[in-house]
Amino acid sequence: DQQVKQNSPSLSVQEGRISILNCDYTNSMFDYFLWYKKYPAEGPTFLISISSIKDKNEDGRFTVFLNKSAKHLSLHIVPSQPGDSAVYFCAATMIYNDYKLSFGAGTTVTVRA
Amino acid sequence: DGGITQSPKYLFRKEGQNVTLSCEQNLNHDAMYWYRQDPGQGLRLIYYSQIVNDFQKGDIAEGYSVSREKKESFPLTVTSAQKNPTAFYLCASAGLGRDTQYFGPGTRLTVL
Repeated sequence: DQQVKQNSPSLSVQEGRISILNCDYTNSMFDYFLWYKKYPAEGPTFLISISSIKDKNEDGRFTVFLNKSAKHLSLHIVPSQPGDSAVYFCAATMIYNDYKLSFGAGTTVTVRA
Repeated sequence: DGGITQSPKYLFRKEGQNVTLSCEQNLNHDAMYWYRQDPGQGLRLIYYSQIVNDFQKGDIAEGYSVSREKKESFPLTVTSAQKNPTAFYLCASAGLGRDTQYFGPGTRLTVL
């Protein structure tokens, strides 16, 4: 039973434009959401997170938006750079579940020159 | 400098053999986790440990075993009972808040 879903397996964007990655979840008990970036054959790197009590968190070029009523979050990358080409995983966790992470299947982003 | 190390990067084993993957961290984190990643899928939790000498099963613990004798170390043994052991294995750790996990570089295990 996948509680976190990333329905777009891939995204192609031109350098300098905005990348928007989407994530949906089913469990309303999740209280913390994270985005990780992963290059092939490497471990995921933590990118940005958001608590369920907020609706937006920004860190440089990365902004995460949370819509709790829709059980939806998105990651915006502006402007997109070639080094952003990677797989991005959405993850969710809750204190009642020992903070175990539930991951989406990932979205592969390709930034075109 | 602080971080999580996993060794080796690539590991090959014959079918039917047990193999142990190493995970060490010097971040002074209490919690440690093991995940596996298969092509086209997200990460799935195998085992986790919140404190030394204690660990819990994750979503796919069958065929795996762990130990947590030291805070810094959380080795994972892939036993011959694991039906599809070929995968990319990732270790992670989390500090006091537990809300953010940090990952090691991973070990690619191939069972021949």
